[in-house]
Amino acid sequence: DAGVTQSPTHLIKTRGQQVTLRCSPISGHKSVSWYQQVLGQGPQFIFQYYEKEERGRGNFPDRFSARQFPNYSSELNVNALLLGDSALYLCASSWTGYTEAFFGQGTRLTVV
Amino acid sequence: AQKVTQAQTEISVVEKEDVTLDCVYETRDTTYYLFWYKQPPSGELVFLIRRNSFDEQNEISGRYSWNFQKSTSSFNFTITASQVVDSAVYFCALSEAVVRGGADGLTFGKGTHLIIQP
Repeated sequence: DAGVTQSPTHLIKTRGQQVTLRCSPISGHKSVSWYQQVLGQGPQFIFQYYEKEERGRGNFPDRFSARQFPNYSSELNVNALLLGDSALYLCASSWTGYTEAFFGQGTRLTVV
Repeated sequence: AQKVTQAQTEISVVEKEDVTLDCVYETRDTTYYLFWYKQPPSGELVFLIRRNSFDEQNEISGRYSWNFQKSTSSFNFTITASQVVDSAVYFCALSEAVVRGGADGLTFGKGTHLIIQP
């Protein structure tokens, strides 16, 4: 069975641009969460979606948004990119949310 | 607010030594989950264990063992007879709001970089 897949794996953007990251959960998993991991730190929670609805949101500005599709895949959008948005963005899927979360390999975003 | 502290930034040991990674957490909830993840250089977080707040039994899985003590709010991880392949960054994490399906996500510590030297 395929694990959590994220695309693209690497991305370079310019300040002020917009970016969309994609995540496909493990088959049968209905919950997708997004995390930002800055170098040398632990992942920080951004969003959780369950059954296509936002169920939780971390302390991130409104420039960050996400959605979940009927097939449970998800997109994370970041507008007006800042240098500080450079990070590894991780997607996790689980059955319901607080069960053990399985993570993808992440998207490495570099903002220049 | 919830908080996870991993005071050990980096640990270096020689292969076959035992090593313990410390994790201390803070939460106001009585129902919560604790996790350990391994992050190799590839970046993917690998799930190791989940423990709920009502289960204080220690757990052993092969060379890995976990010690959960609510009295000291600690959830420590021990690797016995360490191997070079154990080298990675290890994260402890906490999930609250169980009644809302963990909707606040996981709160991670800053991680412990474990280096196993041959």
